[in-house]
Amino acid sequence: DVKVTQSSRYLVKRTGEKVFLECVQDMDHENMFWYRQDPGLGLRLIYFSYDVKMKEKGDIPEGYSVSREKKERFSLILESASTNQTSMYLCASSLWSGGYTFGSGTRLTVV
Amino acid sequence: DQQVKQNSPSLSVQEGRISILNCDYTNSMFDYFLWYKKYPAEGPTFLISISSIKDKNEDGRFTVFLNKSAKHLSLHIVPSQPGDSAVYFCAASKYNTDKLIFGTGTRLQVFP
Repeated sequence: DVKVTQSSRYLVKRTGEKVFLECVQDMDHENMFWYRQDPGLGLRLIYFSYDVKMKEKGDIPEGYSVSREKKERFSLILESASTNQTSMYLCASSLWSGGYTFGSGTRLTVV
Repeated sequence: DQQVKQNSPSLSVQEGRISILNCDYTNSMFDYFLWYKKYPAEGPTFLISISSIKDKNEDGRFTVFLNKSAKHLSLHIVPSQPGDSAVYFCAASKYNTDKLIFGTGTRLQVFP
């Protein structure tokens, strides 16, 4: 089974801090994605990557950046955390659109 | 602009009955549709999918129906079980892309 591991289940950060969310997958998938889940808004795509060192903006990239230096690792970076970035962050990997495997999520609270 | 919409934020169904979850989309370029299920504190898991060349796909208790002219799909769960209680997301993708656009989710509660 594909495993997608997100490094933290819960994080509490202060406004203005730089925050790193890490995601690692173990099945050699090319595609990796970062979504955030908010009540009433569903899952919204922040950034995605089709290959190492490649990245593309999703629907809500503002305030975020990403890094993909190795195929198995996709990091989401909040350059200067703000309270409106309090959310559940979900990482996924896939070979094709039907085959998304999600991590368990990181619940980030910015205070 | 929400391209995939689930207009019912919640649904409550008695065990053994049918659960029907609905999803509407606006982009006619979508050609592949999926349903994901999410339990609290877990990531979404793939449930069932349908290609735009079909109008029905069945997998055990789960059936997805697609009405392209109405830009509408639905997920039927028969019979519903308490373990089906979760949030269900529909998702769509365009031909030759791997990016999924998700709906807002419907929380299903199945009570005994």
